[in-house]
Amino acid sequence: ETGVTQSPTHLIKTRGQQVTLRCSSQSGHNTVSWYQQALGQGPQFIFQYYREEENGRGNFPPRFSGLQFPNYSSELNVNALELDDSALYLCASSFTGGYGYTFGSGTRLTVV
Amino acid sequence: AQSVSQHNHHVILSEAASLELGCNYSYGGTVNLFWYVQYPGQHLQLLLKYFSGDPLVKGIKGFEAEFIKSKFSFNLRKPSVQWSDTAEYFCAVNGIYMEYGNKLVFGAGTILRVKS
Repeated sequence: ETGVTQSPTHLIKTRGQQVTLRCSSQSGHNTVSWYQQALGQGPQFIFQYYREEENGRGNFPPRFSGLQFPNYSSELNVNALELDDSALYLCASSFTGGYGYTFGSGTRLTVV
Repeated sequence: AQSVSQHNHHVILSEAASLELGCNYSYGGTVNLFWYVQYPGQHLQLLLKYFSGDPLVKGIKGFEAEFIKSKFSFNLRKPSVQWSDTAEYFCAVNGIYMEYGNKLVFGAGTILRVKS
């Protein structure tokens, strides 16, 4: 079984720029969630996608947006980057109706 | 809002010592509970999970956790730690009727360092 893969692994962006992070779900999973893990903190839920639509969102501003594609892969887009957006971004896939999650290794985003 | 509290942010133990990491959550409904481990430079890995049934759950690598509903707790234990257990440990919860049911709420994590 394939796991969850995320790209890129590391990224450096300048404040005000836009960034796109990518995630390929585990085979058989139809739901993808994104989490932000700031240094020294636990992962915080950003949003979740099911059937290509957002069906849950945490306390993040609208400049955080996402997409889910028919093959269940996903993108996280962040506009107007701020220094506080520097974090590890985790993607997790799951199957709706079940409660198993598979996490990717994450993308380390640094905003300078 | 739902929250998860982990009692210690840093724990240092010698090899063969016993481990107990505390986790409490705030959510009054039916919950699923998880412990994840993150080894340095690696992704989050599931140690164990509780959905229902026996409140004493056994996971991988000799870890176990006990769900005490009356105390809203799900503490992680291991009788004898090894140097290779050095990692960060996260407790997480989601609720059957929690808003966005598949959403995981994580604690802040506990960094465990095992001295050889």
